[in-house]
Amino acid sequence: AQTVTQSQPEMSVQEAETVTLSCTYDTSESDYYLFWYKQPPSRQMILVIRQEAYKQQNATENRFSVNFQKAAKSFSLKISDSQLGDAAMYFCAYRPANAGGTSYGKLTFGQGTILTVHP
Amino acid sequence: KAGVTQTPRYLIKTRGQQVTLSCSPISGHRSVSWYQQTPGQGLQFLFEYFSETQRNKGNFPGRFSGRQFSNSRSEMNVSTLELGDSALYLCASSSRDTWGYGYTFGSGTRLTVV
Repeated sequence: AQTVTQSQPEMSVQEAETVTLSCTYDTSESDYYLFWYKQPPSRQMILVIRQEAYKQQNATENRFSVNFQKAAKSFSLKISDSQLGDAAMYFCAYRPANAGGTSYGKLTFGQGTILTVHP
Repeated sequence: KAGVTQTPRYLIKTRGQQVTLSCSPISGHRSVSWYQQTPGQGLQFLFEYFSETQRNKGNFPGRFSGRQFSNSRSEMNVSTLELGDSALYLCASSSRDTWGYGYTFGSGTRLTVV
């Protein structure tokens, strides 16, 4: 079974600084997708960034980038130039590329990291 | 394009009652998934529907059920409510074209069982 682990229950960062959130996962699949979602107090889960396992190049979306280490099964999120609006719960999630059988509709989530941004 | 809409936003129910939650996916999305979010267990997958058929189910008791209509709107039902069913229930939708891009989530229904 796939598992996703976020070892940092809480993190904090000063506005304009950089912070890295950690995520490790366990799977026997060779092809899969990894995601970082943000959940602000509004409760809606918002996709921040995604990574396809077969692509070695790390994904980047504006101030958000990932460090994807496939062999180590590590997928960390770096937030640069942190803003007050980045404060939220962040979830790492996994999904096999083959979306069939027991994978239909299912994302496996980590426990989340609460990010606080100090002005 | 309208997002995923969940109703109601909040619900308070008494133990033993039943409850029905509704989810309207993004137009054109035929897959709807449901998740339960609690502080202790985190986000757990309940089930997924596609074209009115349940294709996948998580490890939840039979009190949790769902269905999907021909317009892709989905409902989930919890019967004989227990205090432990208090949670945020999230639904997410996707299409064949968006599978690799994760799912689009609604804002959830906060269920409190007293």
